[in-house]
Amino acid sequence: QKEVEQDPGPLSVPEGAIVSLNCTYSNSAFQYFMWYRQYSRKGPELLMYTYSSGNKEDGRFTAQVDKSSKYISLFIRDSQPSDSATYLCAMSEGVLTGGGNKLTFGTGTQLKVEL
Amino acid sequence: GAGVSQSPSNKVTEKGKDVELRCDPISGHTALYWYRQRLGQGLEFLIYFQGNSAPDKSGLPSDRFSAERTGESVSTLTIQRTQQEDSAVYLCASSLVLVSKLYNEQFFGPGTRLTVL
Repeated sequence: QKEVEQDPGPLSVPEGAIVSLNCTYSNSAFQYFMWYRQYSRKGPELLMYTYSSGNKEDGRFTAQVDKSSKYISLFIRDSQPSDSATYLCAMSEGVLTGGGNKLTFGTGTQLKVEL
Repeated sequence: GAGVSQSPSNKVTEKGKDVELRCDPISGHTALYWYRQRLGQGLEFLIYFQGNSAPDKSGLPSDRFSAERTGESVSTLTIQRTQQEDSAVYLCASSLVLVSKLYNEQFFGPGTRLTVL
């Protein structure tokens, strides 16, 4: 069983729809939860970062973490064609020696927002 | 104001050959990471550098894989005697390390797409 499970999609929605993306995980030591967006042939870029359980909102994006269920979500409101990309969840247990963070990623969900 | 750069962007090699992949981190970023992204898979952590030392190399898949870093600058990932299963996109990321923060954002390069024939 993978440490982080994510539905690969593809997910196709009309412009303006609310999108819900989810990941489940098995490692209860994960404390830091991130969502990255990756456009084709590009590196991932950080969208949202949450520590422990709770909600965080940034513009059209809301991240939710439920540690009791080992379940995280990303909601995108008023989706736009420019949101079409692959969305990767990532998690970290904490700080490595020297201060870095080792990230464990889901497989990514491919999203297409249609006009 | 350049981001993380990687070279080459694409590399095609024959099975059994050695390859060297390069990463130039953002200036001033002391932490550097290598990840591998195989088709249909998530990114897999390979190795983490703090300065030129590697406190965590737990993700290197075999002794055919090695990496080094010069100071707080360029890093190279070397794969010896390449195999077809090494075909993947190899991504490098760098970050600042601020002791006041428990998570420091990793900035990713565009990756090197490696194809082993």
